[in-house]
Amino acid sequence: EAGVAQSPRYKIIEKRQSVAFWCNPISGHATLYWYQQILGQGPKLLIQFQNNGVVDDSQLPKDRFSAERLKGVDSTLKIQPAKLEDSAVYLCASSSRRGFNEQFFGPGTRLTVL
Amino acid sequence: AQSVTQPDIHITVSEGASLELRCNYSYGATPYLFWYVQSPGQGLQLLLKYFSGDTLVQGIKGFEAEFKRSQSSFNLRKPSVHWSDAAEYFCAVGLSDSNYQLIWGAGTKLIIKP
Repeated sequence: EAGVAQSPRYKIIEKRQSVAFWCNPISGHATLYWYQQILGQGPKLLIQFQNNGVVDDSQLPKDRFSAERLKGVDSTLKIQPAKLEDSAVYLCASSSRRGFNEQFFGPGTRLTVL
Repeated sequence: AQSVTQPDIHITVSEGASLELRCNYSYGATPYLFWYVQSPGQGLQLLLKYFSGDTLVQGIKGFEAEFKRSQSSFNLRKPSVHWSDAAEYFCAVGLSDSNYQLIWGAGTKLIIKP
């Protein structure tokens, strides 16, 4: 069974630029999560999808961050414009359904904003 | 507010020695508790979880954890560590009243001495 795929693995941009991250969850997994992990901290949930609908985006900075999962499979997370404090690892995870089921994580995208 | 505290940023143990990683949580309702491991270059992986019942839970890779309600703790243990256990370990609490969101600790980095 293929795991959660993310790309790119690394990205370096200047502040005020835009960036997008892509995630392909495990086949058949209905629930998809995007997390932000700042160095020295645990992951912080940004947004949770159930199929192609948003379940929870309460911690997503909506003035600059957006995410979509149009067909209920792949997802993209965008930052526009980026700030220095957005430097972090962005993790995508999926689980078979909502609830406290095991979340399977991708390797993450390390973003550096200069 | 809900929180998870992992008091030790780093822990160094000798190969073959026993290990205990501490986790304390603050949450008013019944906690759902998790331990995840993040090995270098790999995604987070679930080690074990506690929902209810026996307060001593067994996980993968020889790990176990004990839930102590009176101490609001969920410490992770292993009787004998191997060099391959070197990784970062994260404790998380699931919020049953908030879209099944996980609140994560800051992690403990485990270093193994040969």
